[in-house]
Amino acid sequence: DGGITQSPKYLFRKEGQNVTLSCEQNLNHDAMYWYRQDPGQGLRLIYYSQIVNDFQKGDIAEGYSVSREKKESFPLTVTSAQKNPTAFYLCASRHTGNTEAFFGQGTRLTVV
Amino acid sequence: KQEVTQIPAALSVPEGENLVLNCSFTDSAIYNLQWFRQDPGKGLTSLLLIQSSQREQTSGRLNASLDKSSGRSTLYIAASQPGDSATYLCAPSGFGNEKLTFGTGTRLTIIP
Repeated sequence: DGGITQSPKYLFRKEGQNVTLSCEQNLNHDAMYWYRQDPGQGLRLIYYSQIVNDFQKGDIAEGYSVSREKKESFPLTVTSAQKNPTAFYLCASRHTGNTEAFFGQGTRLTVV
Repeated sequence: KQEVTQIPAALSVPEGENLVLNCSFTDSAIYNLQWFRQDPGKGLTSLLLIQSSQREQTSGRLNASLDKSSGRSTLYIAASQPGDSATYLCAPSGFGNEKLTFGTGTRLTIIP
């Protein structure tokens, strides 16, 4: 089945640790995105990539890093510099040209 | 910068009623607008994508309209069912960029 897979579904991190969230898609989409969702707030864009080996900062990129070494993969690293990382993280993808976007099921990150 | 507003933040209606959800955006230079639903703790599910050249788009009991000049879109749900209970989000995409901008959504509850 085609789709977007995020893993893990739940992730716990100790303060000061870096963690990496996985996002894989088999839809042959060029563009991929990472969003953060907090209770009562809309989705905020962290990073996005329109092509392999290239990515752009979104509105809240500080404390996060990404890579795009393969078309189907766009992992997000939450670094220790991110002061409030507890949130629900969503990955999305679509073809370039502002086509329909599809989302994964999300990863809930909790700092303990 | 595109800003998206969805009012009301929450809506409860009895089963069987027709209802309208509203989405307003500040930058009318959009390429298209997408409506999503989100169930608690889940990712976003695409409902409808309406192009800037279209006035309406229909899928089953759902009908989305777009008035680009006034910066508004509506999602009409006919004959509502308890399974329609979810948060509904709209996201316009601008020309020349690949970003989706989200509002905070409308949390819809259908009362059996």
